[in-house]
Amino acid sequence: AQSVAQPEDQVNVAEGNPLTVKCTYSVSGNPYLFWYVQYPNRGLQFLLKYITGDNLVKGSYGFEAEFNKSQTSFHLKKPSALVSDSALYFCAVRVIGGGSQGNLIFGKGTKLSVKP
Amino acid sequence: NAGVTQTPKFRILKIGQSMTLQCAQDMNHNYMYWYRQDPGMGLKLIYYSVGAGITDKGEVPNGYNVSRSTTEDFPLRLELAAPSQTSVYFCASSYSVGRPEQYFGPGTRLTVT
Repeated sequence: AQSVAQPEDQVNVAEGNPLTVKCTYSVSGNPYLFWYVQYPNRGLQFLLKYITGDNLVKGSYGFEAEFNKSQTSFHLKKPSALVSDSALYFCAVRVIGGGSQGNLIFGKGTKLSVKP
Repeated sequence: NAGVTQTPKFRILKIGQSMTLQCAQDMNHNYMYWYRQDPGMGLKLIYYSVGAGITDKGEVPNGYNVSRSTTEDFPLRLELAAPSQTSVYFCASSYSVGRPEQYFGPGTRLTVT
């Protein structure tokens, strides 16, 4: 079965420090991977995606993500966190095969808290 | 482009009432989705559609119905509302299987009492 896991419910970081939000996945075949951010009382916003090519993907707001095939991971990173980065972050993987091909499976989310 | 729009933003229903959550997109996306989000539970797919006239069940379809008569609109119908349907509902759309990144609406917060 295809799945995605975010092992941390919450990540706490001091402003200016680097941040990492972890994601691991399980799919058969080549994965399409995504990160989304959700600010309070808002819908999810697309941050970045990996389909193929360079393992380091750059996205919106200075975020990047590193695809690691051997570790089946797709961790979200930012070199210097801002208080305004505090939000809920979701990792997602595209369903491969079957009638629901193209749908996304979302992780449960990781709450990022950046303190001044 | 307005993107994905949802109405209403908030709604309180009494048990047994029915309502329709509206969703529209102006990005000419073929695929549309309805999710519910409960605290700490991530997103659960209710229904999805791969094009006008085609819909299919997701993970949690019971108590809901959808239709897709046009590419732009994808309403979600709640029949006989129950407290378990208290949640935040999000509509999303995407272009194709090859471009599956989804774009979300702002959500509808529904309370059933």
